[in-house]
Amino acid sequence: GAVVSQHPSWVICKSGTSVKIECRSLDFQATTMFWYRQFPKQSLMLMATSNEGSKATYEQGVEKDKFLINHASLTLSTLTVTSAHPEDSSFYICLARGGGGQGANSPLHFGNGTRLTVT
Amino acid sequence: GDSVTQMEGPVTLSEEAFLTINCTYTATGYPSLFWYVQYPGEGLQLLLKATKADDKGSNKGFEATYRKETTSFHLEKGSVQVSDSAVYFCALRTLSGNTPLVFGKGTRLSVIA
Repeated sequence: GAVVSQHPSWVICKSGTSVKIECRSLDFQATTMFWYRQFPKQSLMLMATSNEGSKATYEQGVEKDKFLINHASLTLSTLTVTSAHPEDSSFYICLARGGGGQGANSPLHFGNGTRLTVT
Repeated sequence: GDSVTQMEGPVTLSEEAFLTINCTYTATGYPSLFWYVQYPGEGLQLLLKATKADDKGSNKGFEATYRKETTSFHLEKGSVQVSDSAVYFCALRTLSGNTPLVFGKGTRLSVIA
């Protein structure tokens, strides 16, 4: 089946540094990538939506200059957390749409998530 | 907007007990409904889904029936195991534009031997 490879699976970084998270669709073209964030013991909250070759659309309250999303190709999307702070510590997970069907009917595939800890 | 409401946990059961996790939804149109499971330290896995009214999704002994009249998609399992301990998320998806999955808050299940 369709696979989304998300790296790294976990990362610890110092406050003020930037961290890049990658999601690659290994055997299909991801026309749309959704990025979610999950705080401990809470649900998944949509951060932003990106279509290949276009600027990402951010949800209300999500800082676009802090969470940089790039979706330059149909198989790769990246989320960069810039100038990370301890409050950015969270579980980030990508959700790719593609690999069959058309448009909104295409299947959805999760990455395995990245646990970010900022010290 | 679209939303999902599921029962709050945590839920603690003894092994072989019957499990029900309630889920109701609000959506325009006719959504597809999903249950995802998240084991400790891992990402989300699709457990089961139903795409239209009266459909029953089933997997690994879990079942859920899409009830349009009550806008519900309750998750059930007849006999839980310790290995079922996880967080369960109910979610919906409508096919309008870029709409992604909308999740409930999750229900943590702990099964004790």
